[in-house]
Parts: sequence; structure tokens; C-alpha cells
Amino acid sequence: GENVEQHPSTLSVQEGDSAVIKCTYSDSASNYFPWYKQELGKGPQLIIDIRSNVGEKKDQRIAVTLNKTAKHFSLHITETQPEDSAVYFCAASIRNTGNQFYFGTGTSLTVIP
Amino acid sequence: GAVVSQHPSRVICKSGTSVKIECRSLDFQATTMFWYRQFPKQSLMLMATSNEGSKATYEQGVEKDKFLINHASLTLSTLTVTSAHPEDSSFYICSARDWATNEKLFFGSGTQLSVL
Repeated sequence: GENVEQHPSTLSVQEGDSAVIKCTYSDSASNYFPWYKQELGKGPQLIIDIRSNVGEKKDQRIAVTLNKTAKHFSLHITETQPEDSAVYFCAASIRNTGNQFYFGTGTSLTVIP
Repeated sequence: GAVVSQHPSRVICKSGTSVKIECRSLDFQATTMFWYRQFPKQSLMLMATSNEGSKATYEQGVEKDKFLINHASLTLSTLTVTSAHPEDSSFYICSARDWATNEKLFFGSGTQLSVL
């Protein structure tokens, strides 16, 4: 089955700096890679996603890159703000199936004002 | 984005009682819903996959007689924790896959269950 690894487990950055979280996956059949932000006591919120036929996608201060050959994808947050502090999860799945999503172990991001 | 409504957000119950958690997709249809359990500072642990109109598929180690899942419609799935015990205390989260795109997965806000 699929195995998703995520690093680092914790990350602290100064406000205004960039944050990068990296994930790797093992199953070459995976073709959909979402990222979720989870605040304390709440459910994960989808913040950005990318399909395997795209190398990069950007939405304001958030971007995701995908290297299908190396089977890794990354989340980039620029100009970080204190409200970006949360736990971020990457995931891998196969589109157009009822297959489960495989999640990374999460990264706790702290943005220091 | 699509909204998944989960209720209740918090429940405290006595040992031996049953608790029902509802998960509704408000503005989209979901043929597949997933139920997760999350321990503090840990990732999401899949409990079961629920498909509309059919029996749920449980992950290894999850007792199907204890965690009853019903997915009666394209917008509603329920998880019932039967005869709850303190070790069942946890954060339970549902999610729904958008039927239209069969791609994106949206989560409910979670239910914190505390069994006394």
C-alpha cells in the first residue's frame, strides 16, 4: 500500500519568513495530493491540492510543488503570519476512485511574531 | 469550499452508554465518507470507509460491532459508539469525498468524545 512520509514534524519560523514542508510517497499510482491545515480542536481544512500532471500550483502565499519522478511534493508558505500557525498534513490518493487518502504524520508550524 | 457538518462537537457520556455522531455534506453529494480517530498530536487514523447504500469497510483492528456506521443517503453518514468506555475517548472526524469530482476530500469539524 501507499506510504506517505512528512518532514519536519515541527517547524518554527519568524513572521514574514517562508516555511517549507516536504512529503514523499511510495505508490506511483497516486495522482492527487492535497494539503490540509488543522487548528487545535478543529477538523482539517483543505488549503491547496495538486494533480500529478501538474508540477506546481500557487494560491496567493501558498504553493505546492510536485516531482512525480522522485515521488515527493512540498508545501511552501511565503510571508508567514501568526495565523498560519497550525498543524499541516499532506496526503496522497488516487482520483476517481473510492480509495482512501493516505496522510503524512503532520507538521506543527509555529510562526513567531 | 464544500461544507461538511459534524455534530455534536463535544460530548461527555457515562461508561456503558452509546453515542451517535452525525456527518452531513451540506452542499454536495458524497458517495464515500471516511471516519477517522485522532489522538493528541498525532495523525489521522482511518477507522472505516462508508459508501452510500452499502456496508462500511472497517480497517484492521477496528471493531465493527462497537463502531456502527450507517451511510443511508448521499449526504449523511453516522457513527455510533456503542457501550462506550473511557478508552474510546478521542477526537473523531468524518470526511466526505465530493461525488461530482470524485477527487477532493472535505472534513467535518470533529467530535471530542469523553467517556467518564
